[in-house]
Amino acid sequence: GAVVSQHPSWVICKSGTSVKIECRSLDFQATTMFWYRQFPKQSLMLMATSNEGSKATYEQGVEKDKFLINHASLTLSTLTVTSAHPEDSSFYICSARTSANTGELFFGEGSRLTVL
Amino acid sequence: EDKVVQSPLSLVVHEGDTVTLNCSYEVTNFRSLLWYKQEKKAPTFLFMLTSSGIEKKSGRLSSILDKKELFSILNITATQTGDSAIYLCAVFQGGSEKLVFGKGTKLTVNP
Repeated sequence: GAVVSQHPSWVICKSGTSVKIECRSLDFQATTMFWYRQFPKQSLMLMATSNEGSKATYEQGVEKDKFLINHASLTLSTLTVTSAHPEDSSFYICSARTSANTGELFFGEGSRLTVL
Repeated sequence: EDKVVQSPLSLVVHEGDTVTLNCSYEVTNFRSLLWYKQEKKAPTFLFMLTSSGIEKKSGRLSSILDKKELFSILNITATQTGDSAIYLCAVFQGGSEKLVFGKGTKLTVNP
């Protein structure tokens, strides 16, 4: 299947700093990528939909100024957690779609963010 | 409100048992239903179902969709400890082009 690479897989940072997470589709072009957040023992919560060359669409309750998403190319989307605080500590997962009509998504390995 | 409900939320079985995981949905503009397996990291894709009554199989796993009754089941036969994971059901919604996830079923297979 298609491969989605996410980096870094884990990161620890101090409160107040910004952290960037990359999501790359390695062997296909992804016009749409999705960013999810997962809390322990909970399902995936969609944060935003990232479309190449346009602004991301954020879900209700997700602060767009806090979670900056950039989808500069057909193979790369980035999520930047700005001025991170301990409550931002979570598991962030990206996914990319191989076809606009099927809904089949492939997920990155996820990034564990810990804010001290 | 669009929703996907999975049951049971958790399940503990012994190796060799057969399990059935359930997923019901109420989602506008249904396009397809997907099953994922999540172990320690991100979910891995299992099946995508778009048509009613057509069973999809992969080894010991199989799944089927009923679009009239709005549910799907995931069967795992002859379970192994490696099947222990959270199984997520998601519905792809046309129009918004989003996946609506259920809360998952945590399966534990004991030796």
